Amino acid sequence: DTGVSQNPRHKITKRGQNVTFRCDPISEHNRLYWYRQTLGQGPEFLTYFQNEAQLEKSRLLSDRFSAERPKGSFSTLEIQRTEQGDSAMYLCASKRTGGSYEQYFGPGTRLTVT
Amino acid sequence: DQQVKQNSPSLSVQEGRISILNCDYTNSMFDYFLWYKKYPAEGPTFLISISSIKDKNEDGRFTVFLNKSAKHLSLHIVPSQPGDSAVYFCAASGETSGSRLTFGEGTQLTVNP
Repeated sequence: DTGVSQNPRHKITKRGQNVTFRCDPISEHNRLYWYRQTLGQGPEFLTYFQNEAQLEKSRLLSDRFSAERPKGSFSTLEIQRTEQGDSAMYLCASKRTGGSYEQYFGPGTRLTVT
Repeated sequence: DQQVKQNSPSLSVQEGRISILNCDYTNSMFDYFLWYKKYPAEGPTFLISISSIKDKNEDGRFTVFLNKSAKHLSLHIVPSQPGDSAVYFCAASGETSGSRLTFGEGTQLTVNP
C-alpha cells in the first residue's frame, strides 16, 4: 500500500495558461475524489469518480475545469485559462466503495497563478 | 452555506493536559463524522471517526463524542503532546451524498511543552 500520490507537488503558472494535475489512488480503491483547499478554509469537494464514471460534480467546478479517470485507475484534473482565483491546494483522495467512510488523501498540488 | 462549522480557529494547551476541539453541523442527512489532522505541506490524515448510531468512539488518546440532538461533536485528546500540534478538521458524510466529505474550517492546535 503505497498511498495516494499527486504530481506535481507545486505548479506556478501565468494567468490564462492551462494546467493539468495527476492523482494516483491506492490501487484497490475504486472511488476517487478531488477537493480544493484555500488558505484558512477546509477542503471543498469538487468531483468524484467510481471506477471510470464521474458521478458528481460540485457547482464550484466551472466549465474551465475538467476531470477524467479513463481506465478507472489514475485521474487528471485540468484547469483551462487559469485565473488568479484558482490559486489553491488541490487534493485527491480515494476509498473503497462501501465499508467505512474514511478517505485517504494525497499530499496535494499547490497551484499558484500569477 | 457552511454545513460544518468549527468556531475556534485556534487552541493552545499545555503538554499533558486535555485538548477539546469542537464542531457543529446543520445537515441532518449526515450519518458519519470524521476528524482529520493536517501538517503544513501535507494532505489531511485520518484520525478517528464515529457513526451517527453511536455517541462515543475511543482510540488510544483520542475520543470523539457525538451529540445528535445538538448536532455537535467534539474531539478529546488526552494527554496532549507537542507532536499533536497541527490543524484539525472535522468532516461529515453520508451515503446519500456519495460519501463525499464536507469539512469545517479547521482548528489550529498548539501544544506547548
